[in-house]
Amino acid sequence: GAGVSQSPRYKVAKRGQDVALRCDPISGHVSLFWYQQALGQGPEFLTYFQNEAQLDKSGLPSDRFFAERPEGSVSTLKIQRTQQEDSAVYLCASSYRDLTTYNEQFFGPGTRLTVL
Amino acid sequence: GENVEQHPSTLSVQEGDSAVIKCTYSDSASNYFPWYKQELGKGPQLIIDIRSNVGEKKDQRIAVTLNKTAKHFSLHITETQPEDSAVYFCAASRAGTALIFGKGTTLSVSS
Repeated sequence: GAGVSQSPRYKVAKRGQDVALRCDPISGHVSLFWYQQALGQGPEFLTYFQNEAQLDKSGLPSDRFFAERPEGSVSTLKIQRTQQEDSAVYLCASSYRDLTTYNEQFFGPGTRLTVL
Repeated sequence: GENVEQHPSTLSVQEGDSAVIKCTYSDSASNYFPWYKQELGKGPQLIIDIRSNVGEKKDQRIAVTLNKTAKHFSLHITETQPEDSAVYFCAASRAGTALIFGKGTTLSVSS
């Protein structure tokens, strides 16, 4: 079975451009997470969806970051007016159940965003 | 909020030796502690996890121990192999919250 997929794998943007990063979670997974991973650091939480509901967006660094999961499956992370400090790997993860139950998060390969 | 510290940041061992990575956490309410392995160009992969109602868990060459009183937990890899070389992350959370990750340990196993 397919795991979590993300596209594009690499994205180069000029400062000020908007970008959209896509995540296809494992089919049937209720929970979807976005993380930001700076070079040499651990993943940092951005936002969490339970089905189509965005229940936690406390990790989004600014109002330039927006995420959606309109049908409870595919999710898109959008960054408006990109800045150099947005350069990082953006990881998506999904899990079978909601956050009230401990269960494995399956990660995608990430999208490496470079802002010039 | 939760803060997770991980040590060492780099670890080099000879094939066959054991490797130990340690993490401490700040939130006494945290009760789920997974360990992830990340290879170059890939996303993190869960290798083992432990919940706060147990003190130790083993899976073949990998074991994790948890000391709730001291708020620290450790990953032990025995009989290391070159394919164990990767970046390892510890994480902590409590029900209803997202995982908080440590900064990672780069493990190098030389043959």
